[in-house]
Amino acid sequence: QVQLQESGPGLVKPSQTLSLTCTVSGGSLNIGGPYWTWIRQHPGKGLEWIGNIYYSGNTNYNPSLKSRVTISIDTSTNQFSLKLSSVTAADTAVYYCATSYDTPPEHAFDIWGQGTMVTVSS
Amino acid sequence: DIQMTQSPSSVSASVGDRVTITCRASQGIGSWLAWYQQKPGKAPKLLIYGASSLQSGVPSRFSGSGSGTDFTLTISSLQPEDFATYFCQEANSFPLTFGGGTKVEIK
Repeated sequence: QVQLQESGPGLVKPSQTLSLTCTVSGGSLNIGGPYWTWIRQHPGKGLEWIGNIYYSGNTNYNPSLKSRVTISIDTSTNQFSLKLSSVTAADTAVYYCATSYDTPPEHAFDIWGQGTMVTVSS
Repeated sequence: DIQMTQSPSSVSASVGDRVTITCRASQGIGSWLAWYQQKPGKAPKLLIYGASSLQSGVPSRFSGSGSGTDFTLTISSLQPEDFATYFCQEANSFPLTFGGGTKVEIK
């Protein structure tokens, strides 16, 4: 049973870079099929797709965030990561990692991490 | 970007009621549509993918239908554990987008 777990600072200062890691257990990142994804949810709001990465390293980003986002993958540690630069209070949200592990080619997310709250504040 | 519009934004219902939630895409998306249930403080849970395929382990009272631009999630007989917020999601074209959510509340 594949499981995902987010980790990283819960508080980031404005203008700094938000960095989160998602650790995959119970399965390998280094397989074709699933895309490894970051999604966020502003407090009390809906869901926003940030972007994803394939095991090969190919990425797709939301155009609304593309200039500030980098998603990377480390198959040796079975982790993928999110970096969001120049953060503001508008980036305060719960950040989820997720994957469409058993539903590709459809990007329907059957596995989610528990989510991690990131607050941007000085 | 494909815009996903859900209605209603909230619905009050009683245990045993039939509840229907709709989702409209701003352009045709075939059957590339997923539905999720989210409870407070928890990650979303996949209910339906491919517009009508029930995710493993999800009760059969949940069903999905539609194609193209108009989709429906139906809960045939609402149970106490179904009070939650439901989201639809376009599942094929980047950027992937979600509907605004429908909160199912106790009447």
